[in-house]
Amino acid sequence: EAGVVQSPRYKIIEKKQPVAFWCNPISGHNTLYWYLQNLGQGPELLIRYENEEAVDDSQLPKDRFSAERLKGVDSTLKIQPAELGDSAVYLCASSLEQGATTGELFFGEGSRLTVL
Amino acid sequence: ELKVEQNPLFLSMQEGKNYTIYCNYSTTSDRLYWYRQDPGKSLESLFVLLSNGAVKQEGRLMASLDTKARLSTLHITAAVHDLSATYFCAVDGTGTASKLTFGTGTRLQVTL
Repeated sequence: EAGVVQSPRYKIIEKKQPVAFWCNPISGHNTLYWYLQNLGQGPELLIRYENEEAVDDSQLPKDRFSAERLKGVDSTLKIQPAELGDSAVYLCASSLEQGATTGELFFGEGSRLTVL
Repeated sequence: ELKVEQNPLFLSMQEGKNYTIYCNYSTTSDRLYWYRQDPGKSLESLFVLLSNGAVKQEGRLMASLDTKARLSTLHITAAVHDLSATYFCAVDGTGTASKLTFGTGTRLQVTL
């Protein structure tokens, strides 16, 4: 069974340019997460979806970041415009769960963004 | 706000030695996860601990959870080079929109 698939794996852009990352979760997983991981640190949650609904986007910088999961399957995370401080790895994860308590998360390989 | 602290942040150990990584967290939770991350790779789930006193073992790794002390340990027995990686604990926060809060990670280097 395929795991969580993310693309692109690597992206280098100049500051102020837009960038988008795509994630396809494990088939049947209703919950999808976008995490940000800075070098040498643990992942930090940006947004969590249950099906199509964003149930926790409190950590998403909404002035420049946006995300969507239109059909409750794959998801896109966009940054516009990118800033130097956005250089990081953007991880997508999915889980199969119901209700409020999180279960085991399965992570994709991440999209490494470098902003010059 | 839930805070998760791991120590040590970096651990260099020789093959064959034993050691323990500690994960402390600041608020009530009864779910804790351990992940492994190799350089440039994603996070791989190691253990899911769902209740006080839970203990799980896989190969040379054993994880335990003490919810009263808000402490989890990851014990390494007779380390081998293949265990070199960064290990993260993650705690499930309580509330209506629970989420995992990760520790800063422990970078383990096992030398030959």
